[in-house]
Amino acid sequence: DIQMTQSPSTLSASIGDRVTITCRASQSVSSWLAWYQQKPGKAPKLLIYKASTLEDGVPSRFSGSGSGTEFTLTISSLQPDDFATYYCQQYNIFRTFGQGTKVEIK
Amino acid sequence: DVQLVESGGGLVQPGGSLRLSCAASGFIFSDYSMNWVRQAPGKRPEWVAYMSARLNTITYADSVRGRFTISRDDDKKLMFLQMNSLRVEDSAIYYCSRGEGFPDYWGQGTLVTVSS
Repeated sequence: DIQMTQSPSTLSASIGDRVTITCRASQSVSSWLAWYQQKPGKAPKLLIYKASTLEDGVPSRFSGSGSGTEFTLTISSLQPDDFATYYCQQYNIFRTFGQGTKVEIK
Repeated sequence: DVQLVESGGGLVQPGGSLRLSCAASGFIFSDYSMNWVRQAPGKRPEWVAYMSARLNTITYADSVRGRFTISRDDDKKLMFLQMNSLRVEDSAIYYCSRGEGFPDYWGQGTLVTVSS
């Protein structure tokens, strides 16, 4: 199985901050990597797929980069609606999620 | 609008069975691969099962293979998950979701609790 590890597990930030979350795969997943946002009591929401392609309707302050085993999700200017938990997910071999990064208000 | 609505969750004893349903609307159901993904409280999501459009390719997570069965009825726009020999560790919210590798739409989930 491909293991996905995110860092940090928790991130405290303020409105307007630039935020970066890292996701590492235990083996190469090429660019078959997606990012989701999840709020309490809700299903995950797709933000980015194929490592860097923004899903329709997702604000442009979200961006993704990376390939192989190391990926990043960046929020260029944190907004109140962005406080949530973020998950990476590989879909190169079956599908596995990272453990999540909770973005909290500082 | 695309909608996915799960049903069938509940409380069941270890060793018991449940059948989950997912009703789809707002898109051509037969054109899309579908998935079941579960999430235990405070844990990361876990892929459970996948079924492709038309070709009926099916894949299961190791943790459920041999106990769970995914199926679909394209005419009725329904997807199912038959869960047998349930274990305490199967307790979670079960989501149905649309799409190949990275689902773009998810239902609201149905809660399955396995407990004696």
